Amino acid sequence: AQKITQTQPGMFVQEKEAVTLDCTYDTSDPSYGLFWYKQPSSGEMIFLIYQGSYDQQNATEGRYSLNFQKARKSANLVISASQLGDSAMYFCAMLASGGSYIPTFGRGTSLIVHP
Amino acid sequence: NAGVTQTPKFRVLKTGQSMTLLCAQDMNHEYMYWYRQDPGMGLRLIHYSVGEGTTAKGEVPDGYNVSRLKKQNFLLGLESAAPSQTSVYFCASSYRTGKGNQPQHFGDGTRLSIL
Repeated sequence: AQKITQTQPGMFVQEKEAVTLDCTYDTSDPSYGLFWYKQPSSGEMIFLIYQGSYDQQNATEGRYSLNFQKARKSANLVISASQLGDSAMYFCAMLASGGSYIPTFGRGTSLIVHP
Repeated sequence: NAGVTQTPKFRVLKTGQSMTLLCAQDMNHEYMYWYRQDPGMGLRLIHYSVGEGTTAKGEVPDGYNVSRLKKQNFLLGLESAAPSQTSVYFCASSYRTGKGNQPQHFGDGTRLSIL
């Protein structure tokens, strides 16, 4: 069975500082993908970043980077230089071959950026 | 480019009424999904489809039915609405995920209240 755990229900960060949102996953499959999505208060789900299980380097997309530690089964999202617009819910998700590549989502982390 | 469009955006039903939520995508995606989002529960998969004419149950399928008669459309039906089905419903679509590397594209959600 595939499982995603996000242990931080809520996080606070000062504007312009970096913040790390935790995500651990559980799968026995060798092939899988890990994703982060952002859900602002307006409600839409926005794809942020992807990491493949065979990727040698951590994924980066602008101010977003994914700290992928395969042995620890963690895929933490790092947001550098936080902005007020980063305040949102953040969801970690996984696609794995054993789950027929049907997505499994974590329960999310609420991030609030203070000015 | 519309992406994923959900209809309606809001709806209030009485217990026992029926309704259909419509999802349409114009990206030629093979996979389509219906989720419900409740506070503190993240996204839970109701049903999904890996192609035209095929559907499968997700994590919380009871009380819902789906149909995918055309590749671009995925319908979610509530035959006899119950207050427990009050939620925000999201439709998503993606390309075939043979390597687990395809992100999902989400609609804006449907806020459904059952009285």
